[in-house]
Amino acid sequence: GIQVEQSPPDLILQEGANSTLRCNFSDSVNNLQWFHQNPWGQLINLFYIPSGTKQNGRLSATTVATERYSLLYISSSQTTDSGVYFCAVAENKLSFGAGTTVTVRA
Amino acid sequence: SQTIHQWPATLVQPVGSPLSLECTVEGTSNPNLYWYRQAAGRGLQLLFYSVGIGQISSEVPQNLSASRPQDRQFILSSKKLLLSDSGFYLCAWGASGQETQYFGPGTRLLVL
Repeated sequence: GIQVEQSPPDLILQEGANSTLRCNFSDSVNNLQWFHQNPWGQLINLFYIPSGTKQNGRLSATTVATERYSLLYISSSQTTDSGVYFCAVAENKLSFGAGTTVTVRA
Repeated sequence: SQTIHQWPATLVQPVGSPLSLECTVEGTSNPNLYWYRQAAGRGLQLLFYSVGIGQISSEVPQNLSASRPQDRQFILSSKKLLLSDSGFYLCAWGASGQETQYFGPGTRLLVL
């Protein structure tokens, strides 16, 4: 199956800081999604982005499919951004990375 | 709008006992349905998926089974739980022909 690697595994930010999370994948995909899992376990869809760039408020994402990576940008981080960010890719079924745990301190 | 429900939210069960977790989706028809398990501090592993009533595909051989008795109902079961079945179980749905999946609130299962 497709291998998905996320980096860094852990990230500690001061409120207001910007950050970049990376997702590398091992094969061509037709589906790439970014999720945020909040401290209560709920997975929230952030982006469906198999290629290109999208923005939603303080979050944006870029996928370069030909080079097999995606980046998630968090700008002006807030404490509510804390949680685990997952990248998931698929040729037919979703494979999840191990996630990046983000802690934003006030 | 579409919503997805899971229950129970939390469950503590003894080893060897049976299991039944339920997932229902509202506001859509003929969804693709998925069961995932998340071990503590790790990513999600796909267990089962279904593209229609009575159609179940298993991704990982294990002590669990799944059924889809109705279009918008997906059930995860076990006849005898093992300690290794502990984890966070998430149900997801996706519209047929579309790629995005939407997750339910999850069930935390602790097998003692």
